[in-house]
Amino acid sequence: ILNVEQSPQSLHVQEGDSTNFTCSFPSSNFYALHWYRWETAKSPEALFVMTLNGDEKKKGRISATLNTKEGYSYLYIKGSQPEDSATYLCASLYNNNDMRFGAGTRLTVKP
Amino acid sequence: ETGVTQSPTHLIKTRGQQVTLRCSSQSGHNTVSWYQQALGQGPQFIFQYYREEENGRGNFPPRFSGLQFPNYSSELNVNALELDDSALYLCASRSGINEQFFGPGTRLTVL
Repeated sequence: ILNVEQSPQSLHVQEGDSTNFTCSFPSSNFYALHWYRWETAKSPEALFVMTLNGDEKKKGRISATLNTKEGYSYLYIKGSQPEDSATYLCASLYNNNDMRFGAGTRLTVKP
Repeated sequence: ETGVTQSPTHLIKTRGQQVTLRCSSQSGHNTVSWYQQALGQGPQFIFQYYREEENGRGNFPPRFSGLQFPNYSSELNVNALELDDSALYLCASRSGINEQFFGPGTRLTVL
């Protein structure tokens, strides 16, 4: 299984901007895609778990989409706030129970 | 608080020594995974235990071993420590394909 790739590596936006980042993953034997939010000095916190091609999930101002055929997921944040500043990790779970994480996108929202 | 606890929080060892890290899973979770996070990288999958058996392993040598106990708590053991083993070690528990809940991590420093 090849690596999970996330882009960009880091992102700086102004408060109120909308933003999005990408997670690319090997689609062979794919089972589920997880998004996590990781704030400094805290443990990663789950945002979404998606399994079906075309899945779209939303939690407040944050939403995510999934394309299992081409192996990518987008995370969107609408109207970014300073409290959204964190590292956003995606992880893909495969049929052999192996879960692979990307390196994360570090988001900084300036007031 | 996720309900997943890890001990100790920090640990300093010297090269060649052995270390045991402990994790107590969230109640009802029968799958526990261990990850190593080196500085500037995403979590790297070490291995996973399901009902006391290892059922998935990442690209780590055999000197990384583990145990899961009937109460779903687990241990990560690392023998013959090397300088590159210095990292944050995270454990995470889940049930099925659902999101993982991470512990706060153990920061290991090898001198």
